[in-house]
Amino acid sequence: DAMVIQNPRYQVTQFGKPVTLSCSQTLNHNVMYWYQQKSSQAPKLLFHYYDKDFNNEADTPDNFQSRRPNTSFCFLDIRSPGLGDAAMYLCATSRDPGYEQYFGPGTRLTVT
Amino acid sequence: SQQGEEDPQALSIQEGENATMNCSYKTSINNLQWYRQNSGRGLVHLILIRSNEREKHSGRLRVTLDTSKKSSSLLITASRAADTASYFCAAVMEYGNKLVFGAGTILRVKS
Repeated sequence: DAMVIQNPRYQVTQFGKPVTLSCSQTLNHNVMYWYQQKSSQAPKLLFHYYDKDFNNEADTPDNFQSRRPNTSFCFLDIRSPGLGDAAMYLCATSRDPGYEQYFGPGTRLTVT
Repeated sequence: SQQGEEDPQALSIQEGENATMNCSYKTSINNLQWYRQNSGRGLVHLILIRSNEREKHSGRLRVTLDTSKKSSSLLITASRAADTASYFCAAVMEYGNKLVFGAGTILRVKS
């Protein structure tokens, strides 16, 4: 089945230690998104790629970066995680901007 | 800031009853989408309604859209325990290309 895969499902990192979360898709969608979701809150868009074009949200901290080396893969890099970065990180794809989005299962990040 | 506001924040009903959730948004939209999220999981797309549509059905789901009031509702008929989840509306602004989520409604269906 075509799907969005996130690895790992659970990630524990130390305060200040860089961490990378990965996302892959078999849907061949043009757009890939990264969201941060904290407990009992709505997902918050961090950035998205439309093909190779990177779009950063104005309030996304500089600590967060992303890479999309090809259509199938997208990475979220957190350069120096703080305790406030502990959250669920969701990857999503859509055929084109504004269309329905397909979400991965998420990676729960814990910062110790 | 969030585009959508949802009410109620939480809803608890008995199996077999209908559940209605409401969403309001602030600016003109291209479409409005509803998503379900089971605890600790990713979101699942339920239904998309375009700005020129007023009502849409999908199985036990019925979505309405009133652009004059900038509001939408999601009705789940004959609810089941498996419908227990958080439900989010998400608006795509008329001149934008991203989803802006509401705060969500937590639905609990008791068996």
